[in-house]
Amino acid sequence: AQKVTQAQTEISVVEKEDVTLDCVYETRDTTYYLFWYKQPPSGELVFLIRRNSFDEQNEISGRYSWNFQKSTSSFNFTITASQVVDSAVYFCALSEFVAGTASKLTFGTGTRLQVTL
Amino acid sequence: DVKVTQSSRYLVKRTGEKVFLECVQDMDHENMFWYRQDPGLGLRLIYFSYDVKMKEKGDIPEGYSVSREKKERFSLILESASTNQTSMYLCASSLRGIAYEQYFGPGTRLTVT
Repeated sequence: AQKVTQAQTEISVVEKEDVTLDCVYETRDTTYYLFWYKQPPSGELVFLIRRNSFDEQNEISGRYSWNFQKSTSSFNFTITASQVVDSAVYFCALSEFVAGTASKLTFGTGTRLQVTL
Repeated sequence: DVKVTQSSRYLVKRTGEKVFLECVQDMDHENMFWYRQDPGLGLRLIYFSYDVKMKEKGDIPEGYSVSREKKERFSLILESASTNQTSMYLCASSLRGIAYEQYFGPGTRLTVT
């Protein structure tokens, strides 16, 4: 069975600090996708990024960057120069086929990030 | 923009009542999902559907059923609500295949008293 572990339950940082959210996954599939979602206090999950198992290039989008390392089964998320608006719960997820071409996501338990002034 | 809507943001029901949670998506997605979210447990999949009238059990289907009569609509049913079903319920939809992200609705916070 697939598993996603986010060992950090809560992280508190002061604005402008850099912060890394860890994600470790387990799967027997050779083809899979990893995702990060953000859940702000309003509650609605927002998709941030997708990465496939064959692409280990790091991704950068503004202050956000992602480091995918297949050798350690990790897909870590770094926020540079954090801001109060980054305060949210962040979820890492792993996709799998379940029936034919149907798929589902397995989510980690989430990391709550609190950014203070 | 993909839009996933849920019938209620907040719902209060009594133990033993039958509860219907409705979810509608407007992007012609094949897959639809129901999750519950509890503190410290993340998102747990209750049921999902990959086509009209098709349904599959997720990780925690006990006490729930679902219905998908139309492609855009996926209903979660609590046949006899219990206090341990007090939770946040999230609906999501996606295109078919492992490459596609899921789009989430705003959630329904259900309280069973």
